[in-house]
Amino acid sequence: DTGVSQNPRHKITKRGQNVTFRCDPISEHNRLYWYRQTLGQGPEFLTYFQNEAQLEKSRLLSDRFSAERPKGSFSTLEIQRTEQGDSAMYLCASSKSGGGSSYEQYFGPGTRLTVT
Amino acid sequence: AQTVTQSQPEMSVQEAETVTLSCTYDTSESDYYLFWYKQPPSRQMILVIRQEAYKQQNATENRFSVNFQKAAKSFSLKISDSQLGDAAMYFCAYRPPNTSGTYKYIFGTGTRLKVLA
Repeated sequence: DTGVSQNPRHKITKRGQNVTFRCDPISEHNRLYWYRQTLGQGPEFLTYFQNEAQLEKSRLLSDRFSAERPKGSFSTLEIQRTEQGDSAMYLCASSKSGGGSSYEQYFGPGTRLTVT
Repeated sequence: AQTVTQSQPEMSVQEAETVTLSCTYDTSESDYYLFWYKQPPSRQMILVIRQEAYKQQNATENRFSVNFQKAAKSFSLKISDSQLGDAAMYFCAYRPPNTSGTYKYIFGTGTRLKVLA
């Protein structure tokens, strides 16, 4: 169990550019979540996958944002035409489905995006 | 809509002393899950403690314990024998029941805990 990993850890981009982040969940976890955290705030939910199916999206996820989890393993989050308001920490988390402690989410270290 | 409120932006505690962080939440559900997560500076969030709403007994994990008051919708975290390594942002989080069809967490705004040597 190597934990949830995210790449890159930091990304600086110019306004209007596209960026893509990757998340690798804990291997036996079939649920994967994306959150966004701005300075001084708690994480806010963006979207959630169970296996490869994207089952829930927040209204925060504008049409410039797209997330995929093509084979039910790693996931990517793409932001097109970045804006300064997109500057934030993007957190990925994963969990199991089923009983027991399946409701616990394990978080990655995050990708910090700075849009200049 | 469910909300989570942490009214203490910052708290300080002397090493070896006890501190309590407050969290209140709002929900119309009767069965749900509550968590406290710790986020050290520039490091990832880790789970400190969890509480299932159907359990009346307060959860404990070593030096960490909660005071879960379901009727008052209050979920405070007590840290005993505080250590320098406890310094971090602490987030309270709520997760709806499985029957709601959503598994997302709703977080509070966090409490920054400083531990004084």
